[in-house]
Amino acid sequence: RKEVEQDPGPFNVPEGATVAFNCTYSNSASQSFFWYRQDCRKEPKLLMSVYSSGNEDGRFTAQLNRASQYISLLIRDSKLSDSATYLCVVNPLGYGQNFVFGPGTRLSVLP
Amino acid sequence: NAGVMQNPRHLVRRRGQEARLRCSPMKGHSHVYWYRQLPEEGLKFMVYLQKENIIDESGMPKERFSAEFPKEGPSILRIQQVVRGDSAAYFCASSPPGGEQFFGPGTRLTVL
Repeated sequence: RKEVEQDPGPFNVPEGATVAFNCTYSNSASQSFFWYRQDCRKEPKLLMSVYSSGNEDGRFTAQLNRASQYISLLIRDSKLSDSATYLCVVNPLGYGQNFVFGPGTRLSVLP
Repeated sequence: NAGVMQNPRHLVRRRGQEARLRCSPMKGHSHVYWYRQLPEEGLKFMVYLQKENIIDESGMPKERFSAEFPKEGPSILRIQQVVRGDSAAYFCASSPPGGEQFFGPGTRLTVL
């Protein structure tokens, strides 16, 4: 089993739709979780950290389920500018601060 | 506060030449990470360094690749005797201890 798994997509959704991505991780001792977004041929950019209590930033909501070892990202009222690849990132204990990146889920928001 | 700086942004080398990629972390960040991204693929971790120390190099190919982060100056990723399969985008990231990673714009290496 890979350390971090994501559905590669693509997810094609109309503007204004709500879309959710899930990510699973294998190391139950992992402590830190993040979502990054990467636009085509650009560097990944931090979207949000994921906390045990869940957190929300505008149209974006991140949730962590430790029992099932998955992380989710919900995007409401999708915009064209949300089109990107969304990377799930886990910092597993025992690896120093080496982050493990998932393969990414591609989102296309269509007009 | 300047972000993570990488140079060059684009690098073209012929097979057998050496490639040197530089990364200057954000001010106050003592941790540097190198990643490789092949076309249409995800990020692959290569190496994690702190000043003058390699912490984790589990993602580095056994031959031709090396990395350093000296006390003074940028971190360097060095690829000797490049081959066509080394063509990729190489991203550097930096973080403070225990913090999120911030990425540089990447160096796109093309091997002819």
